[in-house]
Amino acid sequence: DIQMTQSPSSLSASVGDRVTITCRASQSINSKLNWYQQKGGKAPRLLIYAASNLQSGVPSRFSGSGSATDFTLTISSLQPEDFATYYCQQSYSVPPFTFGPGTKVDF
Amino acid sequence: EVQLVESGGGLVQPGGSLRLSCAASRFTFSNYWMSWVRQAPGKGLEWVASIEGNGNEKYYVDSVKGRFTISRDNAKNSLYLQMNSLRAEDTAVYYCARFGYSSWEFDNWGQGTLVTVSS
Repeated sequence: DIQMTQSPSSLSASVGDRVTITCRASQSINSKLNWYQQKGGKAPRLLIYAASNLQSGVPSRFSGSGSATDFTLTISSLQPEDFATYYCQQSYSVPPFTFGPGTKVDF
Repeated sequence: EVQLVESGGGLVQPGGSLRLSCAASRFTFSNYWMSWVRQAPGKGLEWVASIEGNGNEKYYVDSVKGRFTISRDNAKNSLYLQMNSLRAEDTAVYYCARFGYSSWEFDNWGQGTLVTVSS
């Protein structure tokens, strides 16, 4: 099975900051990488699919990049509503549909 | 707007059974793969099971194979998860999620239902 790691596991940031979260796969997954946001106790929300495609309704300050084993989620200017936990998920070698361990973004 | 509403969670003893349901609306249910994803308290997301639109193909995470069964009733726009031989480590919020067409992405999620396995 493909293993996913994320770094950092948590970070502190301020409103207006540029935030970058990294996701790494244990083997190449081409561009089969999706990103989710989860706010305290709520259901996850899809942000980015296929590494770099913005899901409908997601603000353009969110962007994704990368291919093969290394991927990045960037928030260009952090807003108060962006404080949350972010998960990556590989969809190349399935099943299983593997998630990363998450990155918590807080103050 | 897509709507997914889970029900059926609760407290169950180890070794017991529970059946979760997910009512889907505002999209053509039979056209989509559907899944269950769970989240143990304070932990990350774990995919549990998926089922094809016509119900023929099913996938499970190894830890639930032989204990959980995913199914669907397209006439009722409903997804199910029959959970048998429950263990403490199955305690989690269970989310119903729809697969998008692009990248096996979970593009819509329900609000979740809590399953607690404890004596």
